[in-house]
Amino acid sequence: DTEVTQTPKHLVMGMTNKKSLKCEQHMGHRAMYWYKQKAKKPPELMFVYSYEKLSINESVPSRFSPECPNSSLLNLHLHALQPEDSALYLCASSQVLADVYEQFFGPGTRLTVL
Amino acid sequence: RKEVEQDPGPFNVPEGATVAFNCTYSNSASQSFFWYRQDCRKEPKLLMSVYSSGNEDGRFTAQLNRASQYISLLIRDSKLSDSATYLCVVIDNDYKLSFGAGTTVTVRA
Repeated sequence: DTEVTQTPKHLVMGMTNKKSLKCEQHMGHRAMYWYKQKAKKPPELMFVYSYEKLSINESVPSRFSPECPNSSLLNLHLHALQPEDSALYLCASSQVLADVYEQFFGPGTRLTVL
Repeated sequence: RKEVEQDPGPFNVPEGATVAFNCTYSNSASQSFFWYRQDCRKEPKLLMSVYSSGNEDGRFTAQLNRASQYISLLIRDSKLSDSATYLCVVIDNDYKLSFGAGTTVTVRA
């Protein structure tokens, strides 16, 4: 299984809602990543987990809260988002953090904040 | 100044043509370099690594010029399926991965 799966594929939420994005991989990878990608822009790194511990937080607002419950799962909890947070949220994994270049990306969750 | 810069294109080329484009990076301590490909509304996928001596993978050739701080990608004998956005990726010694904004290539029949 060389796949990273993400759910849901699409999400529409209001600014007062609380929702979560989920990411799963069964490749035994120990590094997992969240990226945000706006239209016609490159992915921007948000968070990196290495061995289920948060390694990198790229100064992301607290309305985004990551969680890594186990080595296969990565969640992104959303609360009180703004319309400008609408974007494609990509999850990725690599074998270990040092293999950051060989990331496998999931198909993404397309988020719209109304 | 952006850490990684690419010519956004688009490069519109006929099938069978050769197309090449560059990516410049600002951090001279950058360690590793890669090209990813992203199709419209899809996730990025690793295309190839870029080695100091240059490397080739089929119709794709990647080069690194450390002195001038750029990498390049050349696609020979373009196919319709090569139409995509090509993202340059640079990794520093803290494992931070930076994407370029992408170069759009459209191959027409």
